Amino acid sequence: AQSVSQHNHHVILSEAASLELGCNYSYGGTVNLFWYVQYPGQHLQLLLKYFSGDPLVKGIKGFEAEFIKSKFSFNLRKPSVQWSDTAEYFCAVNPPAGNKLTFGGGTRVLVKP
Amino acid sequence: DAGVIQSPRHEVTEMGQEVTLRCKPISGHNSLFWYRQTMMRGLELLIYFNNNVPIDDSGMPEDRFSAKMPNASFSTLKIQPSEPRDSAVYFCASSFYRGNLGYGYTFGSGTRLTVV
Repeated sequence: AQSVSQHNHHVILSEAASLELGCNYSYGGTVNLFWYVQYPGQHLQLLLKYFSGDPLVKGIKGFEAEFIKSKFSFNLRKPSVQWSDTAEYFCAVNPPAGNKLTFGGGTRVLVKP
Repeated sequence: DAGVIQSPRHEVTEMGQEVTLRCKPISGHNSLFWYRQTMMRGLELLIYFNNNVPIDDSGMPEDRFSAKMPNASFSTLKIQPSEPRDSAVYFCASSFYRGNLGYGYTFGSGTRLTVV
């Protein structure tokens, strides 16, 4: 079945450390790609998105993601995390046909002060 | 834009009662999605509509759940009768799609449902 995989379920790191969260998908063809963040007790909010063009996408709060088509990957990065980045992060893919997003299982990130 | 608006924010009800959750999508969006989120099962798509028409309701748990979208600016999710295992946060999301490709969702703040 077509899917979206997030490699890490839980990540714990200290403030100022760098963060990279992996996301791989199995759809061929043209896809739209997204990262969402869910802070504790809140709803999912869009961090960044990729439709076309420069495969390095910059989002809010210092996050960026790189689309590597040959690897079917869309990894999220932040050079230096803050305690306020503690949240759950979801990768999502809009497959080539239709408008229903497929979400990864999420990665819970805990940033220790 | 006020975003996707859900009501109520919190609902506590007794088992067996009817529960109605409401959602107002972003103006101009032509798709609407209902999700349920729990610790055990994560984020689950229940049903979605394109242009007010239900497209996929395969995620609706059972006949106790029903959803309607009578017009482009309003949708309801109804549970009748409610059971404790329905306790969850229910999110509504809306999006715009064109050319058979979607452009991402905007989520509402959710309704936290507790069935006792």
